[in-house]
Amino acid sequence: EDQVTQSPEALRLQEGESSSLNCSYTVSGLRGLFWYRQDPGKGPEFLFTLYSAGEEKEKERLKATLTKKESFLHITAPKPEDSATYLCAVQAGAGGTSYGKLTFGQGTILTVHP
Amino acid sequence: DSGVTQTPKHLITATGQRVTLRCSPRSGDLSVYWYQQSLDQGLQFLIQYYNGEERAKGNILERFSAQQFPDLHSELNLSSLELGDSALYFCASSVTFSASTDTQYFGPGTRLTVL
Repeated sequence: EDQVTQSPEALRLQEGESSSLNCSYTVSGLRGLFWYRQDPGKGPEFLFTLYSAGEEKEKERLKATLTKKESFLHITAPKPEDSATYLCAVQAGAGGTSYGKLTFGQGTILTVHP
Repeated sequence: DSGVTQTPKHLITATGQRVTLRCSPRSGDLSVYWYQQSLDQGLQFLIQYYNGEERAKGNILERFSAQQFPDLHSELNLSSLELGDSALYFCASSVTFSASTDTQYFGPGTRLTVL
């Protein structure tokens, strides 16, 4: 069974204080690892897709990296508007009946204080 | 705005009742996915449709059913509702079922409250 574990559960930062969020996963053949941002009461907003170990992607103050067992979401000089829940999800590449589904972690609640 | 629309935004009903949630995918997307998000379970995959056909089932209760229509919109039917069914229900869509760049885009969700 595919599993995703995110840490820490919650992270409080001061504006400008860089940090990283962790996503550890076990999956039967990784097809893709996804990062989403979710604001309270809203739908998850797509950030990145990573496909293979060593891959990196950047968007503004966010950078996502991938190894064979985990992914990191690095936040550089965060601002209060970066406060949200960050969700990690995996999509398995092996055959079977759940080919397209995403398996999500519980998320990391990020709060950035001004 | 992801381009995925869901109605209604909020739904309040009583135990034992039946409700229908509606989802319209992004223009051009053929796949629709339904997810349930509760405080204790997080985001859980329920069911997937591709071009009108059911493709995968997750942890979907027998009281729940879904379908995708010829115009590609989808409906999730929840019956014999229980207090524990209260949650946010999200629909997501993607271009195809098997493409390597098959990113799922989520709608704004329907908040269901069962009293």
